[in-house]
Amino acid sequence: EPEVTQTPSHQVTQMGQEVILRCVPISNHLYFYWYRQILGQKVEFLVSFYNNEISEKSEIFDDQFSVERPDGSNFTLKIRSTKLEDSAMYFCASSEYGDANTGELFFGEGSRLTVL
Amino acid sequence: AQKVTQAQTEISVVEKEDVTLDCVYETRDTTYYLFWYKQPPSGELVFLIRRNSFDEQNEISGRYSWNFQKSTSSFNFTITASQVVDSAVYFCALSNQAGTALIFGKGTTLSVSS
Repeated sequence: EPEVTQTPSHQVTQMGQEVILRCVPISNHLYFYWYRQILGQKVEFLVSFYNNEISEKSEIFDDQFSVERPDGSNFTLKIRSTKLEDSAMYFCASSEYGDANTGELFFGEGSRLTVL
Repeated sequence: AQKVTQAQTEISVVEKEDVTLDCVYETRDTTYYLFWYKQPPSGELVFLIRRNSFDEQNEISGRYSWNFQKSTSSFNFTITASQVVDSAVYFCALSNQAGTALIFGKGTTLSVSS
Protein backbone atom coordinates (compact mmCIF):
# COMPACT_ATOMS: atom_id res chain seq x y z
CA GLU A 1 0.00 0.00 0.00
CA PRO A 2 1.40 3.41 -0.92
CA GLU A 3 2.44 5.52 2.02
CA VAL A 4 3.88 8.85 3.00
CA THR A 5 7.42 8.53 4.27
CA GLN A 6 9.26 11.01 6.46
CA THR A 7 12.89 11.45 7.40
CA PRO A 8 14.45 11.70 9.84
CA SER A 9 12.30 9.88 12.36
CA HIS A 10 13.99 11.80 15.16
CA GLN A 11 16.31 14.78 15.09
CA VAL A 12 17.99 16.52 17.97
CA THR A 13 19.33 20.00 17.36
CA GLN A 14 20.67 22.98 19.23
CA MET A 15 18.59 26.12 19.57
CA GLY A 16 19.28 28.50 16.69
CA GLN A 17 20.22 25.79 14.22
CA GLU A 18 18.47 25.23 10.93
CA VAL A 19 16.51 22.03 10.46
CA ILE A 20 15.08 20.44 7.33
CA LEU A 21 12.45 17.77 7.62
CA ARG A 22 11.82 15.69 4.55
CA CYS A 23 8.74 13.97 3.24
CA VAL A 24 8.02 11.79 0.24
CA PRO A 25 4.29 12.03 -0.47
CA ILE A 26 2.32 9.35 -2.25
CA SER A 27 3.34 9.53 -5.90
CA ASN A 28 0.08 10.56 -7.56
CA HIS A 29 -0.88 13.04 -4.86
CA LEU A 30 -0.87 16.74 -5.66
CA TYR A 31 -1.65 18.35 -2.31
CA PHE A 32 0.83 18.40 0.53
CA TYR A 33 0.59 19.43 4.14
CA TRP A 34 2.58 19.84 7.32
CA TYR A 35 1.07 19.48 10.75
CA ARG A 36 2.76 19.47 14.11
CA GLN A 37 1.96 17.96 17.48
CA ILE A 38 3.65 19.23 20.61
CA LEU A 39 4.07 16.34 23.01
CA GLY A 40 0.77 15.37 24.60
CA GLN A 41 -1.18 18.06 22.78
CA LYS A 42 -3.41 18.24 19.75
CA VAL A 43 -2.33 18.10 16.16
CA GLU A 44 -2.09 21.57 14.61
CA PHE A 45 -2.19 22.59 10.96
CA LEU A 46 0.87 24.44 9.70
CA VAL A 47 0.65 24.76 5.93
CA SER A 48 -0.80 23.33 2.75
CA PHE A 49 0.96 23.36 -0.61
CA TYR A 50 -0.27 22.86 -4.15
CA ASN A 51 1.15 23.59 -7.57
CA ASN A 52 4.43 24.77 -6.11
CA GLU A 53 2.96 27.35 -3.84
CA ILE A 54 1.47 27.69 -0.39
CA SER A 55 -2.31 27.54 -0.53
CA GLU A 56 -2.99 28.08 3.15
CA LYS A 57 -0.98 28.58 6.31
CA SER A 58 -1.71 29.00 10.00
CA GLU A 59 -0.47 31.62 12.44
CA ILE A 60 2.12 29.14 13.63
CA PHE A 61 3.74 29.15 10.21
CA ASP A 62 5.71 32.36 10.61
CA ASP A 63 8.78 33.64 8.78
CA GLN A 64 11.09 31.07 10.31
CA PHE A 65 9.26 28.30 8.48
CA SER A 66 9.39 27.55 4.79
CA VAL A 67 8.31 24.71 2.55
CA GLU A 68 9.65 23.54 -0.75
CA ARG A 69 9.22 20.84 -3.31
CA PRO A 70 12.80 20.73 -4.58
CA ASP A 71 12.20 17.89 -7.02
CA GLY A 72 9.41 15.65 -8.21
CA SER A 73 9.25 13.53 -5.09
CA ASN A 74 10.32 15.39 -1.96
CA PHE A 75 8.42 17.93 0.09
CA THR A 76 10.44 19.68 2.78
CA LEU A 77 9.81 21.79 5.83
CA LYS A 78 12.65 24.09 6.86
CA ILE A 79 12.91 25.79 10.22
CA ARG A 80 15.55 28.49 9.92
CA SER A 81 16.48 29.16 13.52
CA THR A 82 14.99 26.64 15.87
CA LYS A 83 13.57 27.58 19.23
CA LEU A 84 12.85 25.38 22.23
CA GLU A 85 9.14 25.62 21.53
CA ASP A 86 9.63 24.10 18.09
CA SER A 87 10.17 20.74 19.78
CA ALA A 88 7.31 18.62 18.49
CA MET A 89 6.33 15.78 16.20
CA TYR A 90 5.97 17.07 12.66
CA PHE A 91 3.60 15.19 10.39
CA CYS A 92 3.61 15.39 6.64
CA ALA A 93 0.42 14.50 4.78
CA SER A 94 -0.65 14.28 1.19
CA SER A 95 -3.89 13.93 -0.70
CA GLU A 96 -4.87 13.28 -4.28
CA TYR A 97 -7.53 15.98 -4.25
CA GLY A 98 -7.62 19.23 -2.36
CA ASP A 99 -11.14 19.28 -1.08
CA ALA A 100 -12.40 17.52 1.99
CA ASN A 101 -15.09 15.67 0.07
CA THR A 102 -12.71 13.51 -1.85
CA GLY A 103 -9.29 14.38 -0.55
CA GLU A 104 -8.49 11.91 2.19
CA LEU A 105 -5.30 12.91 3.97
CA PHE A 106 -2.65 10.27 4.29
CA PHE A 107 -0.24 11.02 7.09
CA GLY A 108 3.35 9.95 7.46
CA GLU A 109 4.70 8.50 10.68
CA GLY A 110 6.08 11.81 11.80
CA SER A 111 9.48 13.33 12.48
CA ARG A 112 10.22 14.07 16.10
CA LEU A 113 12.23 17.25 16.54
CA THR A 114 13.92 17.94 19.84
CA VAL A 115 15.48 21.37 20.31
CA LEU A 116 17.97 21.70 23.18
CA ALA B 1 -14.10 30.29 14.25
CA GLN B 2 -13.90 26.55 14.04
CA LYS B 3 -13.34 24.50 17.15
CA VAL B 4 -13.39 20.85 18.16
CA THR B 5 -13.86 19.79 21.77
CA GLN B 6 -13.10 16.33 23.08
CA ALA B 7 -14.05 16.65 26.73
CA GLN B 8 -12.79 13.21 27.72
CA THR B 9 -9.05 13.35 28.21
CA GLU B 10 -8.58 9.72 29.21
CA ILE B 11 -10.83 6.69 29.30
CA SER B 12 -9.93 3.29 30.72
CA VAL B 13 -12.00 0.21 30.02
CA VAL B 14 -11.64 -3.52 30.31
CA GLU B 15 -11.63 -5.66 27.20
CA LYS B 16 -15.06 -6.40 25.71
CA GLU B 17 -16.60 -3.27 27.17
CA ASP B 18 -18.24 -0.80 24.82
CA VAL B 19 -16.86 2.71 24.90
CA THR B 20 -18.02 6.00 23.39
CA LEU B 21 -15.70 8.86 22.62
CA ASP B 22 -17.38 12.25 22.50
CA CYS B 23 -16.73 15.02 20.01
CA VAL B 24 -18.45 18.40 19.88
CA TYR B 25 -17.65 20.91 17.16
CA GLU B 26 -18.29 24.55 16.33
CA THR B 27 -18.36 26.03 12.86
CA ARG B 28 -20.18 28.73 10.94
CA ASP B 29 -19.79 26.89 7.65
CA THR B 30 -22.83 25.20 6.19
CA THR B 31 -20.67 22.66 4.40
CA TYR B 32 -18.05 20.99 6.51
CA TYR B 33 -16.45 17.66 7.14
CA LEU B 34 -15.81 15.70 10.29
CA PHE B 35 -13.12 13.11 10.78
CA TRP B 36 -11.83 10.65 13.31
CA TYR B 37 -8.17 9.64 13.41
CA LYS B 38 -6.45 7.04 15.56
CA GLN B 39 -2.92 7.56 16.87
CA PRO B 40 -1.52 4.28 18.21
CA PRO B 41 1.56 4.23 20.47
CA SER B 42 3.76 4.05 17.37
CA GLY B 43 2.74 7.64 16.64
CA GLU B 44 1.28 7.67 13.14
CA LEU B 45 -2.15 9.10 12.41
CA VAL B 46 -4.58 6.58 10.97
CA PHE B 47 -7.68 7.78 9.15
CA LEU B 48 -10.89 6.15 10.42
CA ILE B 49 -13.81 8.03 8.92
CA ARG B 50 -14.93 11.18 7.10
CA ARG B 51 -18.49 12.46 7.28
CA ASN B 52 -19.90 15.50 5.48
CA SER B 53 -22.38 17.89 7.04
CA PHE B 54 -25.24 16.81 4.79
CA ASP B 55 -25.07 13.17 5.71
CA GLU B 56 -26.42 12.49 9.17
CA GLN B 57 -26.74 8.77 8.72
CA ASN B 58 -24.96 6.79 11.34
CA GLU B 59 -22.20 4.58 10.07
CA ILE B 60 -21.01 1.22 11.26
CA SER B 61 -17.77 -0.44 10.29
CA GLY B 62 -17.15 -3.66 12.13
CA ARG B 63 -16.83 -2.83 15.83
CA TYR B 64 -16.75 0.90 15.11
CA SER B 65 -19.78 3.12 14.79
CA TRP B 66 -20.27 6.84 14.49
CA ASN B 67 -23.24 8.96 15.55
CA PHE B 68 -23.47 12.35 13.83
CA GLN B 69 -26.07 14.72 15.26
CA LYS B 70 -26.16 18.14 13.68
CA SER B 71 -28.70 19.40 16.21
CA THR B 72 -26.19 19.00 19.02
CA SER B 73 -23.06 19.53 16.86
CA SER B 74 -21.73 16.18 17.95
CA PHE B 75 -19.93 13.38 16.16
CA ASN B 76 -19.44 10.59 18.66
CA PHE B 77 -17.47 7.42 18.10
CA THR B 78 -18.34 4.09 19.70
CA ILE B 79 -16.15 1.02 19.88
CA THR B 80 -18.10 -2.14 20.62
CA ALA B 81 -16.43 -5.01 22.47
CA SER B 82 -13.18 -3.13 22.87
CA GLN B 83 -9.86 -4.90 22.47
CA VAL B 84 -6.38 -4.17 23.78
CA VAL B 85 -5.32 -3.18 20.26
CA ASP B 86 -7.82 -0.33 20.41
CA SER B 87 -5.60 1.40 22.96
CA ALA B 88 -4.58 4.67 21.33
CA VAL B 89 -5.26 8.38 21.23
CA TYR B 90 -8.31 9.21 19.16
CA PHE B 91 -8.67 12.59 17.52
CA CYS B 92 -11.80 14.17 16.15
CA ALA B 93 -11.21 16.79 13.44
CA LEU B 94 -13.17 19.33 11.42
CA SER B 95 -12.58 21.00 8.08
CA ASN B 96 -14.46 23.34 5.78
CA GLN B 97 -15.35 22.54 2.18
CA ALA B 98 -11.91 23.44 0.97
CA GLY B 99 -10.51 20.89 3.36
CA THR B 100 -6.98 22.12 3.27
CA ALA B 101 -6.72 22.59 7.02
CA LEU B 102 -8.01 20.15 9.60
CA ILE B 103 -8.83 21.49 13.04
CA PHE B 104 -8.14 18.76 15.56
CA GLY B 105 -9.52 18.26 19.03
CA LYS B 106 -7.11 17.59 21.88
CA GLY B 107 -7.66 13.87 21.65
CA THR B 108 -8.95 11.18 23.97
CA THR B 109 -6.54 8.57 25.25
CA LEU B 110 -8.23 5.19 25.36
CA SER B 111 -6.65 2.44 27.43
CA VAL B 112 -8.08 -1.04 27.11
CA SER B 113 -6.84 -3.60 29.60
CA SER B 114 -7.17 -7.35 29.38
